Amino acid sequence: EVQLVQSGAEVKKPGESLTISCQASGYNFFTHWMSWLRQMPGKGLEWMGRINPTDSSTDYSPSFQGHVTISTDNSITTAYLQWTSLKASDTAIYYCATGITGWLYWGQGTLVTVSS
Amino acid sequence: EIVLTQSPGTLSLSPGERATLSCRASQSVISSYFTWYQQKPGQPPRLLIHTTSNRATGIPDRFSGTGSGTDFTLTISRLEPEDFAVYYCQQFSSSPWTFGQGTRVEIK
Repeated sequence: EVQLVQSGAEVKKPGESLTISCQASGYNFFTHWMSWLRQMPGKGLEWMGRINPTDSSTDYSPSFQGHVTISTDNSITTAYLQWTSLKASDTAIYYCATGITGWLYWGQGTLVTVSS
Repeated sequence: EIVLTQSPGTLSLSPGERATLSCRASQSVISSYFTWYQQKPGQPPRLLIHTTSNRATGIPDRFSGTGSGTDFTLTISRLEPEDFAVYYCQQFSSSPWTFGQGTRVEIK
């Protein structure tokens, strides 16, 4: 069974750094790009970017380029989403997702709250 | 960036009725890279339709997708109680990948 298990909810202050994780199991981690998506409170879905675990190549949406970093630790089949300086507007649920012809597999979501 | 516009914003229907959801793209989308998702409150989205018209694993046949170019449609032939949710169209034909703003299907 394919599973994507994300790290737990976070509460941070503006300017702080944060890394959230997504541990994959039940499939060959190297065969699927892993994407991260954002859903702000009460809003729709936004694709942030993706990573190819095979060679760590990445592809970011211009809306998120330079503000977040996507990486993996292949030894533990885990993908990461990192911020160096959070803003209040980063408050959202973040999902990891993977698949070939669409995002068939999703993590449960990580709620990030940024508030002073 | 390809902008996807879904209509209507909200669809109020009764169980057993037919739902027709539309998604229009600002430029042509390759059919192989067009999908539909369903999202219920407190849950991650679920892939319904991939490659414009193919149901994902486990999706009942009352869900169907059609379309090409800039106009795509998701049809739910007979609404079941569990189908009341928000539906998103999405393209990965051109980066950045984008979603429509969603259509809420609510119980009338």
